[in-house]
Amino acid sequence: EAQVTQNPRYLITVTGKKLTVTCSQNMNHEYMSWYRQDPGLGLRQIYYSMNVEVTDKGDVPEGYKVSRKEKRNFPLILESPSPNQTSLYFCASLKVGDWMNTEAFFGQGTRLTVV
Amino acid sequence: KQEVTQIPAALSVPEGENLVLNCSFTDSAIYNLQWFRQDPGKGLTSLLLIQSSQREQTSGRLNASLDKSSGRSTLYIAASQPGDSATYLCAPGDYGQNFVFGPGTRLSVLP
Repeated sequence: EAQVTQNPRYLITVTGKKLTVTCSQNMNHEYMSWYRQDPGLGLRQIYYSMNVEVTDKGDVPEGYKVSRKEKRNFPLILESPSPNQTSLYFCASLKVGDWMNTEAFFGQGTRLTVV
Repeated sequence: KQEVTQIPAALSVPEGENLVLNCSFTDSAIYNLQWFRQDPGKGLTSLLLIQSSQREQTSGRLNASLDKSSGRSTLYIAASQPGDSATYLCAPGDYGQNFVFGPGTRLSVLP
């Protein structure tokens, strides 16, 4: 089954304690992306990766890092989490045909609370 | 920068009604537009993908139209059911394969 898998689904942590949210896709997609979703602000892109070892900032990259050492995995790293990073996080993988056929597939989300 | 709005923000209807959800975007230089469904606390499920060269796309009771030049897309839901209750998001896709999401329409279909 084609899917995007995020772990953990729920996480409560303390300010400053480094954490990693993993994302893995089994569709051999080159393009992957991270979003955060906040009430009233909708979904905002954090980082994206167009291929292995190629990453770029989205709209809200501050306080986050990513890496793309292999095609299937795209972890999101919070080196020193702060309460304003409490949010619902989604990983997405894009099926890229020609430009008009790009289609996004999303993971189930990770609800992060930083206290 | 692309900005996306969705009207209405929330909608509550009795079962069986036909519905219209609206999406507007400011930058018409898009390659496609995708409609998603999100259930509370869960991920996004893709409903329909409309290419910029298409006028509409249909899947079951769902029909989405796209007017790229005017920056509008509409999602029609026929014969609504309680199981359709969810938040519906539209997301135009640009050259960089980036999707910009609207704030969503929260739909409640009452039995």
